[in-house]
Amino acid sequence: AQSVTQLGSHVSVSEGALVLLRCNYSSSVPPYLFWYVQYPNQGLQLLLKYTTGATLVKGINGFEAEFKKSETSFHLTKPSAHMSDAAEYFCAVSDTGTASKLTFGTGTRLQVTL
Amino acid sequence: EADIYQTPRYLVIGTGKKITLECSQTMGHDKMYWYQQDPGMELHLIHYSYGVNSTEKGDLSSESTVSRIRTEHFPLTLESARPSHTSQYLCASSDPAYPGNTIYFGEGSWLTVV
Repeated sequence: AQSVTQLGSHVSVSEGALVLLRCNYSSSVPPYLFWYVQYPNQGLQLLLKYTTGATLVKGINGFEAEFKKSETSFHLTKPSAHMSDAAEYFCAVSDTGTASKLTFGTGTRLQVTL
Repeated sequence: EADIYQTPRYLVIGTGKKITLECSQTMGHDKMYWYQQDPGMELHLIHYSYGVNSTEKGDLSSESTVSRIRTEHFPLTLESARPSHTSQYLCASSDPAYPGNTIYFGEGSWLTVV
């Protein structure tokens, strides 16, 4: 069985500050890992994903994440926060079977202050 | 960018009514999913489909049912709505041809049962 743990249900940063959203996973097989963003009253939009290859993955809107197998982590970072980054962020792990179902973490709400 | 559409976006309905949430995608994806998300909470998979005439129960038990008569269409039905069904329902689809295939989400249907 797979699981995802997101540390911190709420994170607040100042505009221009570093954003760090933490995600740890548990999987019995090599995982596929995803970060999705959800703006109010909208669906989920893919930020980035890790499947194979380079462990540092760059996504949209200046976000990136690094897959660290030894730490079973996939933390999301952005060097400089912008007001428009305020949203809910979900880390997810996918099984590699035929269903390709996503298991989500509980989400982290990012607040960006002036 | 994915093309997956959900209707209605918002629905307020009385207890005991039958409702159908529509989901359509124009990408020809074989796999489709329904996730349920309570406000501020994680997403839970309630139904998925490998293709036409295939439907499976997800990780979270749900009183809803689904059908998959056409590749592009994956409606969700509640025969008798109850207040406990109040939630956001997110439809998604993915292309099985690619490893770590991205799951694309619709904008969600907010259901309120009064």
